[in-house]
Amino acid sequence: QKEVEQNSGPLSVPEGAIASLNCTYSDRGSQSFFWYRQYSGKSPELIMFIYSNGDKEDGRFTAQLNKASQYVSLLIRDSQPSDSATYLCAVPLWGDDKIIFGKGTRLHILP
Amino acid sequence: NAGVTQTPKFQVLKTGQSMTLQCAQDMNHNSMYWYRQDPGMGLRLIYYSASEGTTDKGEVPNGYNVSRLNKREFSLRLESAAPSQTSVYFCASAQNLQETQYFGPGTRLLVL
Repeated sequence: QKEVEQNSGPLSVPEGAIASLNCTYSDRGSQSFFWYRQYSGKSPELIMFIYSNGDKEDGRFTAQLNKASQYVSLLIRDSQPSDSATYLCAVPLWGDDKIIFGKGTRLHILP
Repeated sequence: NAGVTQTPKFQVLKTGQSMTLQCAQDMNHNSMYWYRQDPGMGLRLIYYSASEGTTDKGEVPNGYNVSRLNKREFSLRLESAAPSQTSVYFCASAQNLQETQYFGPGTRLLVL
């Protein structure tokens, strides 16, 4: 059974600090990785996509991928109250049609 | 450009009733999906359609059927609703399998 694991949280971070969200996955063949943000009562929306080892930056967001360790993370710099949401890690399975979603980490930015 | 739309937004059913959830996308995407989301369980794939004319089971297909009516529309049918099907249902679409998925606003279903 292929799995994607995330700490459920809640993760509380002071406004202006760096929020670090982590995701581990079991499928060694997975090549690409998604981070979605989901506000309470809303649908998930894509915020980052990464397929190469190392870092990918987009504004205040940085995705970090380490395929050897089967680990992908999302850093949010200068956290804002509007970043308070659940963050879902999603991993397409190698040799399969499906994308597996983690259960998400709830992030709470403290004003 | 509405993206992915779902109807209805909210529905209450009695056990044993049937209903169809509708989903449509205007992005000319090939692939479409149905998920359910329950507290503590994350998003679970019910059925998906890689392209027009094909459908496949996901992780939790029991009690559901789907129809890929055309490239734009993908419906989910509950033939005999059960309280265990109380959930939030999301439809999503993607250009192709394993690419970025775009989600509809969701349907909240309560089965009494």
